[in-house]
Amino acid sequence: KAGVTQTPRYLIKTRGQQVTLSCSPISGHRSVSWYQQTPGQGLQFLFEYFSETQRNKGNFPGRFSGRQFSNSRSEMNVSTLELGDSALYLCASSPQPQGISETGELFFGEGSRLTVL
Amino acid sequence: DQQVKQNSPSLSVQEGRISILNCDYTNSMFDYFLWYKKYPAEGPTFLISISSIKDKNEDGRFTVFLNKSAKHLSLHIVPSQPGDSAVYFCAASTGARQLTFGSGTQLTVLP
Repeated sequence: KAGVTQTPRYLIKTRGQQVTLSCSPISGHRSVSWYQQTPGQGLQFLFEYFSETQRNKGNFPGRFSGRQFSNSRSEMNVSTLELGDSALYLCASSPQPQGISETGELFFGEGSRLTVL
Repeated sequence: DQQVKQNSPSLSVQEGRISILNCDYTNSMFDYFLWYKKYPAEGPTFLISISSIKDKNEDGRFTVFLNKSAKHLSLHIVPSQPGDSAVYFCAASTGARQLTFGSGTQLTVLP
């Protein structure tokens, strides 16, 4: 079974630009969550989508947005990039929405490393 | 407001000895706790979990202990192996809310 696939793996942008990251969940998984990882901050929750609907949203500005398609693939977009947006963006999938599945386990992709210059 | 805290950013342990990673939380509504392991250039992978109705869960070399009164959980790895060297994240959830992660602890197991 293929794992969670994130593209691109690495990218460099400049301040003010916008970026779109893509995530393909494990086949059959309908929940996709996005996290931002920065040094010392752990994994900060961005948002979760289930069946094309945003279930939860973290405490991030409106420049961060996402969506989910009917095939469960998800994209996140960051507009007007700032230096502080440099981070590893992780996507995770699960069969059920977060907090509902018995084990609560999320399956993570390898992440997209964004550098903003 | 960090609801899940890992106060030790790093830990070094000799191979064969016990590794103890700690995690504290503030939200008494958390009812499920998980540990994830992360190697460089890889996404986190699930390691072990525990429900709030239990105080211990064991899986091979890994044991998680939960002390609800102290709002504290710990991960014990016995015996520690060099391949265990990674960043360990604890996470917690409540109801249908998303997982809240700690900031991680870098474990280094010295041969």
